[in-house]
Amino acid sequence: AQTVTQSQPEMSVQEAETVTLSCTYDTSENNYYLFWYKQPPSRQMILVIRQEAYKQQNATENRFSVNFQKAAKSFSLKISDSQLGDTAMYFCAFMKPALTSGTYKYIFGTGTRLKVLA
Amino acid sequence: DAGITQSPRHKVTETGTPVTLRCHQTENHRYMYWYRQDPGHGLRLIHYSYGVKDTDKGEVSDGYSVSRSKTEDFLLTLESATSSQTSVYFCATGLNNQPQHFGDGTRLSIL
Repeated sequence: AQTVTQSQPEMSVQEAETVTLSCTYDTSENNYYLFWYKQPPSRQMILVIRQEAYKQQNATENRFSVNFQKAAKSFSLKISDSQLGDTAMYFCAFMKPALTSGTYKYIFGTGTRLKVLA
Repeated sequence: DAGITQSPRHKVTETGTPVTLRCHQTENHRYMYWYRQDPGHGLRLIHYSYGVKDTDKGEVSDGYSVSRSKTEDFLLTLESATSSQTSVYFCATGLNNQPQHFGDGTRLSIL
């Protein structure tokens, strides 16, 4: 069975600094997708960044980038120039197709609570 | 955005009562999902649907049932609510291998 591990329950970073959130996963699949979602206090789940396993190039979205190490099954999120609005819970998620139903299933990590300090 | 509306947003009820949560989407996404979110567990899949009248169980399905009579609506029912089902419930929709879109969640408290 697939698992997703986020080993840092809580982290803090000074405004304008850089922080890296870790995520490791376990799978025997070769075709899958990885995501980072942000959940601010408003409770919304907001997609931050997406990585396809077949792509070697690390995904980047403005101040957010990932370090995807497929062999090591690691998918860390780097936030550069941290802003107060980045304060949130961050979830790593693994997605793969479920062959029997044609749907795609997510498995989530337990989350990392990030606090950006002024 | 996928246009997902969850109702109600908050509910308090008593142990043993039936509860139904509704998820409504306007984007015609084929796949719909119900998750629960609890501290220390992230989001866990309860049930999902891959089409009208086509549903299947997730990892924490005991005590829950679902129905999908039309593409837009996915209902989650707790037949006889228990205190262990106090949680925040999220609905999500998906289209093939695209990222799932989430509703704003329903906070359910069972006393």
